[in-house]
Amino acid sequence: EAQVTQNPRYLITVTGKKLTVTCSQNMNHEYMSWYRQDPGLGLRQIYYSMNVEVTDKGDVPEGYKVSRKEKRNFPLILESPSPNQTSLYFCASSLAWAGREQYFGPGTRLTVT
Amino acid sequence: KQEVTQIPAALSVPEGENLVLNCSFTDSAIYNLQWFRQDPGKGLTSLLLIQSSQREQTSGRLNASLDKSSGRSTLYIAASQPGDSATYLCASGGGNDMRFGAGTRLTVKP
Repeated sequence: EAQVTQNPRYLITVTGKKLTVTCSQNMNHEYMSWYRQDPGLGLRQIYYSMNVEVTDKGDVPEGYKVSRKEKRNFPLILESPSPNQTSLYFCASSLAWAGREQYFGPGTRLTVT
Repeated sequence: KQEVTQIPAALSVPEGENLVLNCSFTDSAIYNLQWFRQDPGKGLTSLLLIQSSQREQTSGRLNASLDKSSGRSTLYIAASQPGDSATYLCASGGGNDMRFGAGTRLTVKP
């Protein structure tokens, strides 16, 4: 089944404790991206990647890192999480970087205390 | 910078009614316009994708239109059902990102 998977789905952590949210797609998509969704602010892009080893900042990259060593994986790294990073996170992928349908993962709900 | 607006923020209709959800965007230089459905606490499910060269797309009871010149897209839902209750998001596809509207929360009452 074609899909985007994220892990973990739910995470509660403490300020400053490094964490990684994994994202994987099995559709051989070139383009992958990370979004966060907050009440009243909608979905905002954090980082995106147009292909392996090619990543760039979205609208809200501060406090986040990403890597794209393999085509299928695009992990989101929070080196020192803070409470303002409490949010619902989505990974997405599409065949190419423009004009293509985007497929979303199920989301990761992160709480930083 | 592209801005996407969805009005109304919430809509409640009785079952069986036909309805239209609106989406407007400020920059007509888009690659596509995509409509999503999101159930509470869940991910986004793609409903329809309209390429910039297209005027509309249909899937079952759903029909989405795109008018780039006026910066508008509409999602038409025919014969609404309680199972259609969800938040509907539109997103404009640019060169390297998507810009999302805040969504319309739809409630279909039995």
